[in-house]
Amino acid sequence: GEDVEQSLFLSVREGDSSVINCTYTDSSSTYLYWYKQEPGAGLQLLTYIFSNMDMKQDQRLTVLLNKKDKHLSLRIADTQTGDSAIYFCAEVSGNTDKLIFGTGTRLQVFP
Amino acid sequence: SQTIHQWPATLVQPVGSPLSLECTVEGTSNPNLYWYRQAAGRGLQLLFYSIGIDQISSEVPQNLSASRPQDRQFILSSKKLLLSDSGFYLCAWSARASYNSPLHFGNGTRLTVT
Repeated sequence: GEDVEQSLFLSVREGDSSVINCTYTDSSSTYLYWYKQEPGAGLQLLTYIFSNMDMKQDQRLTVLLNKKDKHLSLRIADTQTGDSAIYFCAEVSGNTDKLIFGTGTRLQVFP
Repeated sequence: SQTIHQWPATLVQPVGSPLSLECTVEGTSNPNLYWYRQAAGRGLQLLFYSIGIDQISSEVPQNLSASRPQDRQFILSSKKLLLSDSGFYLCAWSARASYNSPLHFGNGTRLTVT
């Protein structure tokens, strides 16, 4: 079956880069997404990447996709305290067209 | 622009009481609609999704039901709440034209069953 895994926690110093990793098992994934959830709020779409791309950059965010290893990462440059949140990766299953979420990575940014 | 409204924001209900959570979408037509539950410290579990009025699929057997009385309205209900129904409930929509279009979430409802 389809599975998406993330590490649970990441702690970084303000100003450093953060790298949040995600692995998935569905080799037929078409789209992969990164969502951000601030405390007590819904999920906010941050960025997405098509499965035929290797990299996508959007201001401070860089998404890298290694399709061979089924590994997705989100790099946040110059991490700020406002970046503290839970980050979810999600993939669209090529078999079912359904969105499969990872368990989320809690990013904590300290001064 | 499209917006999604979900209410109430928080709810405390006793065990055995009924539940009704509402979600409405504005600025789009024929959306796909979803209900997710997020248990404390865990990921998202898809509960229901709907591709049209009276077209609702349930992903997991449970104490909850969903209805879509209008194109842009999605309701999550229960006749008798259980303690295990506590959690953070999220409504979401996506454009029906493509199953690959991203989901857009409401702000969620924090439900505590006591």
